[in-house]
Amino acid sequence: RKEVEQDPGPFNVPEGATVAFNCTYSNSASQSFFWYRQDCRKEPKLLMSVYSSGNEDGRFTAQLNRASQYISLLIRDSKLSDSATYLCAVRGSGTYKYIFGTGTRLKVLA
Amino acid sequence: NAGVTQTPKFQVLKTGQSMTLQCAQDMNHEYMSWYRQDPGMGLRLIHYSVGAGITDQGEVPNGYNVSRSTTEDFPLRLLSAAPSQTSVYFCATGEGPTSPLHFGNGTRLTVT
Repeated sequence: RKEVEQDPGPFNVPEGATVAFNCTYSNSASQSFFWYRQDCRKEPKLLMSVYSSGNEDGRFTAQLNRASQYISLLIRDSKLSDSATYLCAVRGSGTYKYIFGTGTRLKVLA
Repeated sequence: NAGVTQTPKFQVLKTGQSMTLQCAQDMNHEYMSWYRQDPGMGLRLIHYSVGAGITDQGEVPNGYNVSRSTTEDFPLRLLSAAPSQTSVYFCATGEGPTSPLHFGNGTRLTVT
């Protein structure tokens, strides 16, 4: 089993839709969690950190479920510009290693 | 403030050649790392460093060497390039153990 897993998609959604992605992790001692956005042939860029109590940044909401070992990203009112690949990253306890999922591809359709 | 700078942006090597991918940062981050990204494989950690003089292996270290003589620089050396090392390489830095990573623009390497 991979340490960090994501559904590769693609998720094709119409503009204005709400879409959610999950990312599961296998190491129960994982401490830090992040969502990144990656546009085609570009570097990943931090979208948001994920906090234990959940957090929101505009149309984006991230949540952590430690019991089931997954994090989620919810995008409301999808825009065409949200089309990208969304990567989750997890850092284990006592390590500086950040492990990334393979990414979930989102296409927002006009 | 340049952030994380990678050079070169593109490189073509022949099998057996050696080269060094450069990564420089001006954010005074202690943590630096190298990833490779291949289709369907995601980002895989090659080597990382938690400070000058300290390096450690990631998931896929074979065929690559690193050193960290200064806080600012973390070069990645390919000793004898192989076609399997054709990939996009990203350098990423972090401020501390709970901080997110900041990525360079990447180096696209093709080994023929």
